Amino acid sequence: DTEVTQTPKHLVMGMTNKKSLKCEQHMGHRAMYWYKQKAKKPPELMFVYSYEKLSINESVPSRFSPECPNSSLLNLHLHALQPEDSALYLCASSQIVAETYEQYFGPGTRLTVT
Amino acid sequence: GENVEQHPSTLSVQEGDSAVIKCTYSDSASNYFPWYKQELGKGPQLIIDIRSNVGEKKDQRIAVTLNKTAKHFSLHITETQPEDSAVYFCAAPLEYGNKLVFGAGTILRVKS
Repeated sequence: DTEVTQTPKHLVMGMTNKKSLKCEQHMGHRAMYWYKQKAKKPPELMFVYSYEKLSINESVPSRFSPECPNSSLLNLHLHALQPEDSALYLCASSQIVAETYEQYFGPGTRLTVT
Repeated sequence: GENVEQHPSTLSVQEGDSAVIKCTYSDSASNYFPWYKQELGKGPQLIIDIRSNVGEKKDQRIAVTLNKTAKHFSLHITETQPEDSAVYFCAAPLEYGNKLVFGAGTILRVKS
């Protein structure tokens, strides 16, 4: 089973709202990722968690706040977003083994900021 | 850091023909090269990958070739079908951690 699930599928929020995106995997992967994807562009890495600790933050604005409550769950808390933050937000996971980079993506959350 | 270039940006083929997408990378230390297929409204799906200790890998109608000397790798799809229509991304890892750098993507259209 290589399934990563994400909720919600779609989200519309105002610039003053607070919302959260959720991601879950049960493959025993100990690395989890958040990506942002704009239309007709490749995924852009935002955050990486390794063993539930934040290991990479790609200089993402503080209005995006990641959280990894346990090895299966990954959240992305959103607050005071801008319209340009509208995008597809993808979660991915992978094992942490030397020279293993196989990342498996979820279906994404389509976020619209109004 | 790693830079990945992908060509062509769009590719139209007739059903049954072959399709080839090429990527070049800059970091000679890169040792893992995945290909992802992304259908409309879905997340990227890992379809095939290759490691630097082999030159070619096949999985049914899909194959990937790697030329380490020239620092390029290619995706080959034979006997294309309409369901192969999607955006395809190549990727290569940065020298540290699990960070993948993606190519710009290729829109493949298979005409029936």
